[in-house]
This record gives sequence, structure tokens and C-alpha cells, in this order.
Amino acid sequence: AQSVTQLDSHVSVSEGTPVLLRCNYSSSYSPSLFWYVQHPNKGLQLLLKYTSAATLVKGINGFEAEFKKSETSFHLTKPSAHMSDAAEYFCVVSDPVSNTGKLIFGQGTTLQVKP
Amino acid sequence: DAGVTQSPTHLIKTRGQQVTLRCSPKSGHDTVSWYQQALGQGPQFIFQYYEEEERQRGNFPDRFSGHQFPNYSSELNVNALLLGDSALYLCASSLSGGPNQPQHFGDGTRLSIL
Repeated sequence: AQSVTQLDSHVSVSEGTPVLLRCNYSSSYSPSLFWYVQHPNKGLQLLLKYTSAATLVKGINGFEAEFKKSETSFHLTKPSAHMSDAAEYFCVVSDPVSNTGKLIFGQGTTLQVKP
Repeated sequence: DAGVTQSPTHLIKTRGQQVTLRCSPKSGHDTVSWYQQALGQGPQFIFQYYEEEERQRGNFPDRFSGHQFPNYSSELNVNALLLGDSALYLCASSLSGGPNQPQHFGDGTRLSIL
């Protein structure tokens, strides 16, 4: 079965410092992986996606993620945090078995950005 | 270009009642999925509609049902509401489903059960 594990429930950084949000996946197939962000009382916005092309994926707002098959990881990074980055982040795998695009979400990581 | 729109934004019901939530997909999208997000949790897949039929269903009881209309909009119905049904209900649309198609989410309907 496909699943994702977000290794940190809360991450706190200072504005201007790097961000690292960690995600490990479990999949019997070559996975499609996504990172979504959710600001308070809002829906989910797609940050980036990996679909078996380049292993380093660039997304919106300066975020990027690297797919490492040997480590079954898909960590999200950003060189310099902004206050507006404070939100909930979800690592997501798409279920390849059903082929319908059903999304399986991690538990989420709350990113706090301190001034 | 309008994104995914959901209505209503908030809803308060009591136990045992029934509720209908509505979703209009992003222009050009033909597939609608519904997710339930309990407080402090990641969203859980309820079901997906494509070509007006339920294509896949998650681990939710039959009290949860849906419909897709010819214009691709969709409804989520929940009968016999329980306190545990309190959650944010998210609608997502995509083009023809598939594991590589990114899904676009609406802002959700916040359902509170008293």
C-alpha cells in the first residue's frame, strides 16, 4: 500500500533562514509525489509535483524538492523563509494502483516563521 | 479563469440531519474528488466522480453519497449526521483523473455538527 510519513509535525525557523520539511514515502510502484500548502481556513495549493522526470523539482514561491529513491524520501526545501510561508504543508502520494489520481496525504507539518 | 468553487463556506447542522455540499470544478476539468479533513489531520479521500459515475470510493460509510452533473459540477450528500462528521470538506478537480494529474482544491465547506 502507498503511504507517506512526514517526519516532523512542527518546524520553526527564523525569517531568512532555510526551510527543510521532511517526507518519506512507501510505494510498490514508481510514485507520483506532491507537496501541497494550506493556509489557515483555506483550501490546498499545489507547490510542486514529481512524476518520474527530473529528480529535483522546482515549485512555486521558491520551494523545491528532491526525489531520492534510495532513501524513499521527498523532502521540501526553501533557501530563505518568508513570514508568508507560515502554513500547514502536506506531502502527498498519488495512488498508482487505482489509476484515478486518488491522493494519500501525510499528517502535515506546521511551519512557523519567526521574525 | 475561475478555480474550484464550493458552497456553502460554513454550515451548522444537528445530529441526524442531512446535508448537501456543492462543488464547481475548475474550467476544463471533468473529474471531481471529495475529501474530508478533520481538525489537525490530513485530508481523507471520500470518492471520485468521472463521467457522472462514482469511479472510486474511500473507506467511508454509505451515509456518504454523491452525484456529478453533465456540466461536471458535483454534490456530496451526508445522511444521518454524526458528531464525528464535523470537518472541512474539500472538493478537488482534475482533468480525467490519473496519478500524474495535479488536483486543484477549493477552499472547502466547514461543517459543524451540534
